[in-house]
Amino acid sequence: GENVEQHPSTLSVQEGDSAVIKCTYSDSASNYFPWYKQELGKRPQLIIDIRSNVGEKKDQRIAVTLNKTAKHFSLHITETQPEDSAVYFCAATETSYDKVIFGPGTSLSVIP
Amino acid sequence: DAGVIQSPRHEVTEMGQEVTLRCKPISGHNSLFWYRQTMMRGLELLIYFNNNVPIDDSGMPEDRFSAKMPNASFSTLKIQPSEPRDSAVYFCASSPPGANVLTFGAGSRLTVL
Repeated sequence: GENVEQHPSTLSVQEGDSAVIKCTYSDSASNYFPWYKQELGKRPQLIIDIRSNVGEKKDQRIAVTLNKTAKHFSLHITETQPEDSAVYFCAATETSYDKVIFGPGTSLSVIP
Repeated sequence: DAGVIQSPRHEVTEMGQEVTLRCKPISGHNSLFWYRQTMMRGLELLIYFNNNVPIDDSGMPEDRFSAKMPNASFSTLKIQPSEPRDSAVYFCASSPPGANVLTFGAGSRLTVL
């Protein structure tokens, strides 16, 4: 089955700097890669996703890149703000099934 | 839509007691997932349903855990008997047909003493 690894487990950046979180997956059949943000005490919420026919996707200050050959994908947050502080989860799935497998999470702290 | 509705939000029980967690998915969503979140193990997929049918329950820890989805608008996760190591936040999530975009409920925080 699918296995998703994520690095780093914790990340601390100064406000205004960029943050990068990297994930790898094991199942070459996976073709959909969402990212979820979970604020303290809240539920995970989808912030951006990418499908395997796309190499990069951007939404304002966040972007995701995908390298299918190497089976890794990354989340990039630019101009970080204190409200970006949260746990970020990557996930992978093969869209003909519904099984969404999450990475272990990255705790991001943005220092004002 | 009110989103995915879970109950109870908090449950404190004693070891050996039966625990039932409930979930109402978003209307029109045809897939429902149960995840367990702990600091040590992150977000673990326990079981998921598609069109009310259990598709994969390989994540269910042991026979003490069971899940049902009797209709498209209701699912339960039952633990009997409960143990302290079952203490966690249990999330229910649903997704629409043809897309694996999960909407999570607020979670049920279970504490087993």
